[in-house]
Parts: sequence; structure tokens; C-alpha cells
Amino acid sequence: DGGITQSPKYLFRKEGQNVTLSCEQNLNHDAMYWYRQDPGQGLRLIYYSQIVNDFQKGDIAEGYSVSREKKESFPLTVTSAQKNPTAFYLCASSGITSGANVLTFGAGSRLTVL
Amino acid sequence: AQTVTQSQPEMSVQEAETVTLSCTYDTSENNYYLFWYKQPPSRQMILVIRQEAYKQQNATENRFSVNFQKAAKSFSLKISDSQLGDTAMYFCAFMKTNAGKSTFGDGTTLTVKP
Repeated sequence: DGGITQSPKYLFRKEGQNVTLSCEQNLNHDAMYWYRQDPGQGLRLIYYSQIVNDFQKGDIAEGYSVSREKKESFPLTVTSAQKNPTAFYLCASSGITSGANVLTFGAGSRLTVL
Repeated sequence: AQTVTQSQPEMSVQEAETVTLSCTYDTSENNYYLFWYKQPPSRQMILVIRQEAYKQQNATENRFSVNFQKAAKSFSLKISDSQLGDTAMYFCAFMKTNAGKSTFGDGTTLTVKP
């Protein structure tokens, strides 16, 4: 079945450590996205990529980094510069249907800083 | 920049009844798409329904329908014959045509009571 796989599902990090969240899709979608979800704040866009080897900052990119070396993969690194990294992270991908990017989401990764 | 507002943080409805979730948005664009996404307790986000702004006819998907008022910038979701499985957080989202990224509201938590 086609879909998006995020790993790990749960991750604990000590302050000062970088961590990388994995996102893989087999939907042959060109675009991929990372969103952060905090309680009561909905989804906020961290980074997105519409083509391999290219990506753009979203609304809250500070303290995060990404790469897009393969169409299927869009890993997110949460660096030690991110002041409040504890959150639920959602990866999504989309193909373009009649001008609309309908998002397909992964199951999410919950990051907790100890 | 576009903004999406969901003014109802929480709502509840009795099973088999009808409920309407509100969404307003602010944009100067003329060509765009609007979406409702559902996030159940499993946290797996899925698309419920989408609306093209250039279409006057309201979108429907089985028990789900929208009331799209372009001039008022309003996009409400009506759920008919509510079922226990409709219990979820619902997010309204806006996307400028071919922009490649969506802006989300803060969500409405809907509880369907037996």
C-alpha cells in the first residue's frame, strides 16, 4: 500500500542534542512538508520541498534543518538551537491534482525533550 | 499572508444529529482551495472534503458537506447523521492555487456522544 512512513513514533532527547526525524513516501509525490503541532495551535509549517534538492522555509524554520536528496525522503533535523522542541511532528506529501495540493499525512512523531 | 480562523475550539453533538463547524479565512487571492481535514484520536490526519474557490457549487462527500460563502470568506463544514467515529479534531485549511503549501486553522475538537 502506498503511504507515508514516519519514524520513530516516539523520541526522547536531552537538551543540547540534535535529533533527526525520518519521513519516507512511496506515493511518487513531488512535494513534501513538515508541520509542527502544539496543543491548541493547529499545524504550523516548518519546511517544504517541491522538488528534489530544493526546499523552502516555512513559518517556523528556525532551529530546524532538512534535506531532499531523494524524491522519497525528507528528513527533519531538530537542532539544539530550537528553543522549545517538544511537540508532535507531522510529515506530509502531495501530488498536484487540478492545481490543488491535497496533503497525505504520516502518522506523526512525538518528540520530548528531557 | 493568509489566515484561517476556527472560532469553536470544542463542540459536541449527539449521535445521529447534525453539527456545523465554522471556518473563516482572510486572503486577497481570487484563486484558491479550501480543505477540511480530520484528525481522530489516532492522530492520523485525513482529508474530509475540498472546495475550489472558482466553483459556486458547494462540495459534498457522503455525510459531509460545506457551505462556501466566497464574499464572506466563510467555509463551514456540516456533518449529517453524526457517528461515533466522527469524534476527532477538524482542521480548516487554505491553499492558494499552485502555491504548494497550506495554511491551517487551530482546529475544532468534535465529540460525538452516544
